[in-house]
Amino acid sequence: DAKTTQPNSMESNEEEPVHLPCNHSTISGTDYIHWYRQLPSQGPEYVIHGLTSNVNNRMASLAIAEDRKSSTLILHRATLRDAAVYYCIDNNAGNMLTFGGGTRLMVKP
Amino acid sequence: DAGITQSPRHKVTETGTPVTLRCHQTENHRYMYWYRQDPGHGLRLIHYSYGVKDTDKGEVSDGYSVSRSKTEDFLLTLESATSSQTSVYFCAISGQAPGNEKLFFGSGTQLSVL
Repeated sequence: DAKTTQPNSMESNEEEPVHLPCNHSTISGTDYIHWYRQLPSQGPEYVIHGLTSNVNNRMASLAIAEDRKSSTLILHRATLRDAAVYYCIDNNAGNMLTFGGGTRLMVKP
Repeated sequence: DAGITQSPRHKVTETGTPVTLRCHQTENHRYMYWYRQDPGHGLRLIHYSYGVKDTDKGEVSDGYSVSRSKTEDFLLTLESATSSQTSVYFCAISGQAPGNEKLFFGSGTQLSVL
């Protein structure tokens, strides 16, 4: 079973920032935190990942708590195209990335 | 986009028949994975490969076998398909073990077992 916990769904208004939370209850010191998203009828796509420090890329920012038991994916300005299911994962199973149920993000115009 | 091709994209088959799904990559990545996705379960790992002829089981491997005779191809076989194996199957690849490494996913195969 997945060891990350996310809200089932969240709503956001277009053009506003979105903070998607995740709890990593069994993460260890060497496990990376990954975020993927899945648009309707598509395969998952990589969003961002990190170990300890906060990370930024063109898609999003990743904020990692000091104890690493939680992380937050930040979309700075949500668009309608960001409506998707967002998965947070940590590789506490070695070679396996275990996906949980994810958070369904709905973006309102 | 990563060069990953899954075939077929859609398949309908009958209970008890063997089925093979193919994942082909052009990235020369070492790791390849098969996931299934069902409503209410998210993505679940079936099997993965960490090199030619090197494979291991994932969370839900019962009823499935895999083979990897070449770097570029990873085959998933349902020896005797059952209705519970109706699902969307995704292949993924990564250059190294999924720590400081991203996964790239294919577009999926919709399998219906009647």
